[in-house]
Amino acid sequence: NAGVTQTPKFQVLKTGQSMTLQCAQDMNHEYMSWYRQDPGMGLRLIHYSVGAGITDQGEVPNGYNVSRSTTEDFPLRLLSAAPSQTSVYFCASSYSQTDISGNTIYFGEGSWLTVV
Amino acid sequence: AQSVTQLGSHVSVSEGALVLLRCNYSSSVPPYLFWYVQYPNQGLQLLLKYTSAATLVKGINGFEAEFKKSETSFHLTKPSAHMSDAAEYFCAVSSNAGNNRKLIWGLGTSLAVNP
Repeated sequence: NAGVTQTPKFQVLKTGQSMTLQCAQDMNHEYMSWYRQDPGMGLRLIHYSVGAGITDQGEVPNGYNVSRSTTEDFPLRLLSAAPSQTSVYFCASSYSQTDISGNTIYFGEGSWLTVV
Repeated sequence: AQSVTQLGSHVSVSEGALVLLRCNYSSSVPPYLFWYVQYPNQGLQLLLKYTSAATLVKGINGFEAEFKKSETSFHLTKPSAHMSDAAEYFCAVSSNAGNNRKLIWGLGTSLAVNP
């Protein structure tokens, strides 16, 4: 059981470049999300989705775009990378966000992104 | 609005000593409470969660937490620390009240275990 798979694990970008962080889950989870983790700031929600075709903004959505064309995949796009987007990014999924919030969230192993 | 406060961003204990990581929350409705652990260079994984059943919750790796409504706390404990417990620990709260179904995260507590 692969769980939540993120790629790439490490990436260095130049300012202004665009890229996509891939995320896939094989647990048939409805809810998927992207977080960024920065020292002293904990986890901050970027975007989330409660099902295929449905996405919404989290607390720090600017500079990022997402889509959810299938239940399994939830890519995160950096439109024009900035040094402030240097961070560790985590994709996460959960069985359902809409019936009970006591569900466990499953995380990918993270993507380390550096923007120079 | 819900919030989570983790007291102490860094905690250091000796191997074999008691581990106590503090988490206080605020929520106007009955909360769901979680502790997640993050080992170096890895994603987060669930340690335990409280979902309005027993107030003393047992998790993996010998950890447990007690929900105390009167103190609005959900502190994480382990009787005897092991070197492998060194990690970052996150407390989180959520509820199913209305449309607010996001997890609210604490800033994390880094646990160091000294030999």
